[in-house]
This record gives sequence, structure tokens and C-alpha cells, in this order.
Amino acid sequence: AQSVTQLDSHVSVSEGTPVLLRCNYSSSYSPSLFWYVQHPNKGLQLLLKYTSAATLVKGINGFEAEFKKSETSFHLTKPSAHMSDAAEYFCVVSVGGSQGNLIFGKGTKLSVKP
Amino acid sequence: NAGVTQTPKFQVLKTGQSMTLQCAQDMNHEYMSWYRQDPGMGLRLIHYSVGAGITDQGEVPNGYNVSRSTTEDFPLRLLSAAPSQTSVYFCASRNSGNTIYFGEGSWLTVV
Repeated sequence: AQSVTQLDSHVSVSEGTPVLLRCNYSSSYSPSLFWYVQHPNKGLQLLLKYTSAATLVKGINGFEAEFKKSETSFHLTKPSAHMSDAAEYFCVVSVGGSQGNLIFGKGTKLSVKP
Repeated sequence: NAGVTQTPKFQVLKTGQSMTLQCAQDMNHEYMSWYRQDPGMGLRLIHYSVGAGITDQGEVPNGYNVSRSTTEDFPLRLLSAAPSQTSVYFCASRNSGNTIYFGEGSWLTVV
């Protein structure tokens, strides 16, 4: 069975400093992995996805994530945080291609201090 | 191109009432699903469908029904609302390239 663990429920950074949101997954098969962002009282927006191509995936708004099979990790990073990055971030795993169900992590709330 | 449209956006129900959350997509996606989001829990799958006429249960199906009579529509029915169903509900559809599209969410309060 597949599962997702987001290692931090809350991360706080200062504006202009790097962001690291950690995600570990468990899957018996080659997974597809996603990061979604949710701003307060809004829907979910796709940041990036990994589907067995390049292990370093670049997304929108300067975010990127690296798939490390040996560590079963898919951490999300950004070199320099912006105030508008404050939101909740979800790591998601899917097995079974476009017919497989999504398993969500519990989320990491990112706060950005001025 | 509207994407995934959910209605209503906000709803207050009394315990025991029934209602239907509507979801429609105009992208001809076969796969559609419903999630509920609760604080600290992430999103949990309620029901999903891989095509018209085909539905299946997810992680938390109790108290909910779905049907899929057309490719476009995937309504979620609450049969007898309970306070434990107070949540934010998201509908999603997925294309063959495994990109998932979410609706804007429906905030439901059961009193």
C-alpha cells in the first residue's frame, strides 16, 4: 500500500530565505508524485509533478522538488521565500497512472515572516 | 473552458437533512473523485469514478452516495447529514496525462 508522510506540520521562514518542505512516501510500485498548494479558503493548485522522467522537477513560482528513490523522498524547495508563498502545501502520491487514486499527506503550513 | 465547477460554495444543513453537492467538468475526463478536507487530515477520498456508470468507494464513503450517469457530472449526495460531515468538499477530475484538476471547494456546516 502507498502512503505519504509530510514530516513537518508547520514551517516558518523569513522572507528571502530558503524553503524546505519535506515529504517521504511509501509505494510498492513506481509512483507519481505531486505537490499542491492551497491558499486560505481557496482550492488546490498544482505546483509540480513527477512521473518517472527527470528526477529534478521544476514547478511554478520558483519551486522545485527532487525525487530520490533511495531515500523515498520528494522534498519541495525554493531558494528565496516570498510573502505570497504563505499557504498550506500538500504532498500527494498516486499509483496506477491516470486511473490510480491519490493519497494526500496531512499538509505543511508555511508561514513567511517579513 | 470552465474546468471543474462545484456548487454550492457554502451550505448550512440541519442534522438529518439531505443534500447534493454538484460537480461538473467540461474536459471530457473519465476519472472524477470527491474528497473531504478536515484540519490536520489532508484530503481524504470519499468516492471516485473511472467513467460513466462506474463508481467505487474511497477511504471514507460512509454517509455519502454518488452516481455517474454522464462523463461530465459526478454529484455527491449526503443522505442524512450529521455534524461529523461538517467539512470542506473538493471535486476533482483527471486527464490521461495524470494531471488533476480541482474544483474551488464547497464549505458545508451541519448543525
